[in-house]
Amino acid sequence: GAVVSQHPSWVICKSGTSVKIECRSLDFQATTMFWYRQFPKQSLMLMATSNEGSKATYEQGVEKDKFLINHASLTLSTLTVTSAHPEDSSFYICSATRPVSRDTQYFGPGTRLTVL
Amino acid sequence: GQNIDQPTEMTATEGAIVQINCTYQTSGFNGLFWYQQHAGEAPTFLSYNVLDGLEEKGRFSSFLSRSKGYSYLLLKELQMKDSASYLCAVSPSGAGNMLTFGGGTRLMVKP
Repeated sequence: GAVVSQHPSWVICKSGTSVKIECRSLDFQATTMFWYRQFPKQSLMLMATSNEGSKATYEQGVEKDKFLINHASLTLSTLTVTSAHPEDSSFYICSATRPVSRDTQYFGPGTRLTVL
Repeated sequence: GQNIDQPTEMTATEGAIVQINCTYQTSGFNGLFWYQQHAGEAPTFLSYNVLDGLEEKGRFSSFLSRSKGYSYLLLKELQMKDSASYLCAVSPSGAGNMLTFGGGTRLMVKP
């Protein structure tokens, strides 16, 4: 159990376009979902925390108008990178927690975004 | 603030034992996690410690000392497939399920 999927697994887009990344918990209802960004050879940096039906909580330095998060249901959260620029190229990873699992986060496989 | 330190890189030999240390200074403490991450893949859960002591799970063990703000991950009988990054993450108290990650330790296992 505790499988999290992401779609797409990779995407290449032109500068100025918007890209939507989906995160789904496949076999459980996620209490909370998290969005991380990871640059090469660096650790995960939390971008925002997302709870179903409420606005996401963004970490300091993350522009909420640029990284739109929608948590429409207990199994789906989406991250939209608006007006993407080359510096937004990164590995985006989501994670989800179950109501009872010792606060363990289960990670999706990640989405590699390349902005040309 | 939150501060989590772990060595950047380590090298070990196949079949040997390696210990990856992690020290932390966080605003409260609600548990410490170790994750394994292979290049280009998402992290996978290895262990969770919330009480002092050693937790053993097969070839992997994790130790925690809350008074010292210190943890280590012990890998025994190293295999080539253990070459990966190992991430130490702390859940600060009062932060819900949020995790703060250390920079990760890249472990290279050599024949």
